[in-house]
Amino acid sequence: RKEVEQDPGPFNVPEGATVAFNCTYSNSASQSFFWYRQDCRKEPKLLMSVYSSGNEDGRFTAQLNRASQYISLLIRDSKLSDSATYLCVVPGSSGDKLTFGTGTRLAVRP
Amino acid sequence: GAVVSQHPSWVICKSGTSVKIECRSLDFQATTMFWYRQFPKQSLMLMATSNEGSKATYEQGVEKDKFLINHASLTLSTLTVTSAHPEDSSFYICSASDRRVYEQYFGPGTRLTVT
Repeated sequence: RKEVEQDPGPFNVPEGATVAFNCTYSNSASQSFFWYRQDCRKEPKLLMSVYSSGNEDGRFTAQLNRASQYISLLIRDSKLSDSATYLCVVPGSSGDKLTFGTGTRLAVRP
Repeated sequence: GAVVSQHPSWVICKSGTSVKIECRSLDFQATTMFWYRQFPKQSLMLMATSNEGSKATYEQGVEKDKFLINHASLTLSTLTVTSAHPEDSSFYICSASDRRVYEQYFGPGTRLTVT
């Protein structure tokens, strides 16, 4: 199993839609998880951190399922500006680095 | 706060030449800096981790003699791609951390094209 695995997408949704991405991870000992957003040809930017069962920030909700070893990101009321690649990030097994998923591309259309 | 800059933002060089990329933490002291590489439609791949004043730790498969990393101060790390080849063309991104590995602040990246 890969350390971090994501559906590459793309997810094409209309404005206002609700969309969810899943990410699975292999290291059962991981305690913290992150969702980053990366726009085309730009650096990744931290979107949300998840340290317990979940986190919510406005239209964005991240949930953690430790038993099944997956993290989800839910985006409600999608905006055109949400179009980007969303990267699932998990600390490496040694805890001294971050491992990035391949990302899920989201395209929000008018 | 927590701003990281990279220079240059893009560079085109000829095959066989060397290119140096700088990564600076502008408003904090970075005890650890990370260098990533990202090929088109792929994720970020960690190349190496550097701590100020010590040798960098390279990931498996990354040639340390080809990708020279220097972290001479708490605000500056450099990556030198030596004898660059077209297959080295990529997006190079650095990040810096002053505390936990989990809190990394990313630079804007450097796009390298080797002709």
